[in-house]
Amino acid sequence: DQQVKQNSPSLSVQEGRISILNCDYTNSMFDYFLWYKKYPAEGPTFLISISSIKDKNEDGRFTVFLNKSAKHLSLHIVPSQPGDSAVYFCAASEDTGGFKTIFGAGTRLFVKA
Amino acid sequence: DTEVTQTPKHLVMGMTNKKSLKCEQHMGHRAMYWYKQKAKKPPELMFVYSYEKLSINESVPSRFSPECPNSSLLNLHLHALQPEDSALYLCASSQGPGHYTFGSGTRLTVV
Repeated sequence: DQQVKQNSPSLSVQEGRISILNCDYTNSMFDYFLWYKKYPAEGPTFLISISSIKDKNEDGRFTVFLNKSAKHLSLHIVPSQPGDSAVYFCAASEDTGGFKTIFGAGTRLFVKA
Repeated sequence: DTEVTQTPKHLVMGMTNKKSLKCEQHMGHRAMYWYKQKAKKPPELMFVYSYEKLSINESVPSRFSPECPNSSLLNLHLHALQPEDSALYLCASSQGPGHYTFGSGTRLTVV
């Protein structure tokens, strides 16, 4: 049973436009949500996070929105740049004595110049 | 030092071999993790250590044996693996929930 779902395996966006990556989750015990970026042959790199008590967090070109009632979060990248091309993983975390973080399947973003 | 260092980067082992993967962090993070990632799949949690004690084991087969000798080191001992265990093994550390620093991983091939 996938607790964190990213239903779009890939997304293609023109440089300068907005990229919107979506994520759904099923476990209401998650209290922290994150986005990671991954290039080939590297480990995932933390991008941005949001606590369950908030509905928006912004960091430069990256904004994460959380809709708890819909169990949905999204990552907005604006403006998109070719260097943003990578696989983006949504992740959700709950503190069960250790931090248990579950990753979605990932969305491959292509930003075309 | 803001890195997680994993060694070796690549490992090929036979099904009867015993080998170990090593992970080191010097950020003072309280928690360390092992994840397994197959091609085109998300990282799957294997083990969580919190304050050097094993706090989560995601029903991992006993042929994988984790060890946390101190707060900076995390090992994964491998014995009698199967070809389907071939994957990228990622180590991570964190101070808080979910904000992990990942290593570059060990690419393991079991022959």
